[in-house]
Amino acid sequence: EVQLEQSGAEVKKPGESLKISCKGSGYSFTKYWIGWVRQMPGKGLEWMGIIYPGDSDTRYGPSFQGQVNISADKSISIAYLQWSSLKASDTAMYYCARFRGWELVIDYWGQGTLVTVSS
Amino acid sequence: QSALTQPASVSGSPGQSITISCTGTSSDVGSYNLVSWYQQHPGEVPKLMIYEGNKRPSGVSNRFSGSKSGNTASLTISGLQAEDEADYYCCSYAGSSTLIFGGGTRLTVL
Repeated sequence: EVQLEQSGAEVKKPGESLKISCKGSGYSFTKYWIGWVRQMPGKGLEWMGIIYPGDSDTRYGPSFQGQVNISADKSISIAYLQWSSLKASDTAMYYCARFRGWELVIDYWGQGTLVTVSS
Repeated sequence: QSALTQPASVSGSPGQSITISCTGTSSDVGSYNLVSWYQQHPGEVPKLMIYEGNKRPSGVSNRFSGSKSGNTASLTISGLQAEDEADYYCCSYAGSSTLIFGGGTRLTVL
C-alpha cells in the first residue's frame, strides 16, 4: 500500500528556518516524482515543486523558485521541504504528494503538515 | 504564470447536473490534454477524480466526467448528490515537468 507519512505540525517565529519531511513507502521511491502543494488558510491549492529522487532533478513553481528548497534522500525514502527564513505568509498546510508518470498526475497525498509562523 | 481560472462557486439541486469550467492558456490547458480534477471536502486531503482530461481512477463514480475545448477544460457532475458538496480544483500540465492549479470552485448542493 502506497503511503506518504508527513512530519508533524510546526510553530515557528518569523526569520527561523524549517525543514519538514515526507516519507514514502509501499512503492519504488526513486521511480516517481514527489513534491509539495501549499494550501494557505481558507485558500486554494498551489503547486510548489517536485523532485525525482532517482536523479534529484527538481522543478519549482514560479512563485516558489528561490523561496524554498526541495530535496530528497533516496536511501531512506524521504522528501523534504525547507525554508531558510520563514515569513508569516508561509503559514499554511503543506501537502506532500506522489506524481505519477511524465503527466504528473497526483495519485497519492500525504496527510498534510500545518506550519504556523507567528511572532 | 497565473492560476487557472475557475468560477468561485457553483450550485445545483440533487439529481441535477453541473459543470465547472477551468480556463487556462495555450501554454497549459490548450497545449496538453492533461488536466486533472481534485475534490476536497473541508478538513480533508484532496482526492483525484479525473485525470488526463477524461479518465476516472478506479472507485470514482461515473457521474464525474471531464472534457476540454481549446484553452478550457470542464468537469461535469451528473445526478448531483449531497456528498458531492466540496471544493473542486483543476490542475494542468504546463510543460517542463511543471503543473498549475486552478483557484478552486465551491460546489453547493441545494
